[in-house]
Parts: sequence; C-alpha cells; structure tokens
Amino acid sequence: EDKVVQSPLSLVVHEGDTVTLNCSYEVTNFRSLLWYKQEKKAPTFLFMLTSSGIEKKSGRLSSILDKKELFSILNITATQTGDSAVYLCAVEAYTDKLIFGTGTRLQVFP
Amino acid sequence: KAGVTQTPRYLIKTRGQQVTLSCSPISGHRSVSWYQQTPGQGLQFLFEYFSETQRNKGNFPGRFSGRQFSNSRSEMNVSTLELGDSALYLCASREPGELFFGEGSRLTVL
Repeated sequence: EDKVVQSPLSLVVHEGDTVTLNCSYEVTNFRSLLWYKQEKKAPTFLFMLTSSGIEKKSGRLSSILDKKELFSILNITATQTGDSAVYLCAVEAYTDKLIFGTGTRLQVFP
Repeated sequence: KAGVTQTPRYLIKTRGQQVTLSCSPISGHRSVSWYQQTPGQGLQFLFEYFSETQRNKGNFPGRFSGRQFSNSRSEMNVSTLELGDSALYLCASREPGELFFGEGSRLTVL
C-alpha cells in the first residue's frame, strides 16, 4: 500500500534555530513530491520536486529529494514565529493519485 | 483569477443527518479532489473527479459520495453522519503538478 511518512510529528524551537523536516515514501509510479505549509486554513504550496539531488530554494526554505532512498527533507534556516505551521508532504503518482503524510507541526517561540 | 471556493465554511449537524458540501475550482481547472483532515489522521484522500467522472477514490465507506457537474463544480455528500466525521473537509483544484486548496468546510457532528 502506498504511504508517506513524515517525521518528527511535532517540533518546538526558538527563533533563529534551523530545522529539518523529513518525508519518506513508498509510492508506486512516483511522479513528484510536494511540500505544503498549512497555518490556520488552506495548505499553501511550497515546493515541487521531481529530480534527485536538485535543491529547490525559496528564501530561508529549501528542499531536496533523494529518489534512491525515497525521501525528501525540508530545511528552514533562521526560523521566525511566522514559520509556525503544519508542514505537509505529498507524493503524486503517475496514476494522478496524491498521497499526503500526516504532517509535522512546527512551533517557533520568540 | 478567483481561487478555490468552498461552501459552507462551517456547519454543525447531529448524528444520523446528512450533509452536502460544495466546491468551485479555479476557472479552467477540470480536476477536483476532496480530502478529510482530522488532528489524528492528517489529510486523507476521499476522491477525485475529472470531467464529471470519478478518477480516483480513497478508502472511505460508501456513506461518502461525490459528483462533479459540467461546469467543474463539485459536491460531496456524507449520509448518516457519525461523530467521527467531524473534520475539516478540503477541496483542491488541480492541474498537473499544481494543487490549490480551498479554505475548507469545517463540519462538527454532535
């Protein structure tokens, strides 16, 4: 059965810390891996990764995919309180199926 | 371009009742997916519709059903509500590689 597992489930850090969120997957016919940030409402898109080893970067956030080991990481440097959210990882298959992990809840305290 | 619109935003029902939720995708998007989000289970895929046809289906009981109209608007219905159906129901409008979420419909079953 296809599955996406995120770790840790929850993370509490202080502003300025660097965090690494993990996403591992077992999905048949992998097409892409997506990261989303969810605050109080709808998840918002962060990154889409399709190729191994190519880092995607947006400000203090970056992400990379390893298709051999079947995982991805999302890094956030110099965290701010506004980074507090649930971070969701999803894997899209060529069947158009999209499977989400349970998310990592990040809390950043001043 | 308007985003994904879900109605109603909040609703309260009692056990045994039924509920219908509506989703209007981004103009031009033909695919609509539905997800159930609960604190314990994360985002779970319900079903996806494309051009009025159900393309994929998750592992939910038959009480959960959906449909899509010719204008791509979609509805989902839950019959014989149970307490465990209390959740945030998210609709997503999708094109290859992109998934845009609505704000969700928060259902509380008493």
